Amino acid sequence: EAQVTQNPRYLITVTGKKLTVTCSQNMNHEYMSWYRQDPGLGLRQIYYSMNVEVTDKGDVPEGYKVSRKEKRNFPLILESPSPNQTSLYFCASISLAAPYEQYFGPGTRLTVT
Amino acid sequence: QQPVQSPQAVILREGEDAVINCSSSKALYSVHWYRQKHGEAPVFLMILLKGGEQKGHDKISASFNEKKQQSSLYLTASQLSYSGTYFCGTEYAENAGGTSYGKLTFGQGTILTVHP
Repeated sequence: EAQVTQNPRYLITVTGKKLTVTCSQNMNHEYMSWYRQDPGLGLRQIYYSMNVEVTDKGDVPEGYKVSRKEKRNFPLILESPSPNQTSLYFCASISLAAPYEQYFGPGTRLTVT
Repeated sequence: QQPVQSPQAVILREGEDAVINCSSSKALYSVHWYRQKHGEAPVFLMILLKGGEQKGHDKISASFNEKKQQSSLYLTASQLSYSGTYFCGTEYAENAGGTSYGKLTFGQGTILTVHP
């Protein structure tokens, strides 16, 4: 079964405490991406990766880091979280060949106090 | 710059049709369509590539007008299960390289409600 998993699903943390949200896919997709979703602002891309060791900034990369050491994993790192990073985060993977499948993870709700 | 979706919201009775538009001020390479139900992750519906044909998925189809930099999503004979927020994601031609995906920018969403 095609699956994108994210952990944790819910996280409450304090300002400045480093955290990592993991993302893993089992479809051997080349492309992976992180998004944040905020009320009134919709979905915004944070970072994306075309393949292993290749990452690029999306529209809102400030305050985030990513790495792509393996094809299946694409962790999102917040080295010094701030309250404005409180949001709902989604990871997604995309096939770069027809039929161009895309799958989203279940989401991680992050609250930074 | 975000693509603009219209309408912002639409209310239908079961069996009625709807069209949702996604317009860009910049040249597009691809348009992706998604549906998201409240409290759930987005679900990918289809992708339209520059130079590609109209796509269909059951009674949901879409078109891509390259000259107008606009895509339209067509929902025919709507069902209760169609309710949700529909949004488009666009990849601009200036970002695209070959057949690779790149940076995606999303519309603000269209809330579709289908009543019995």
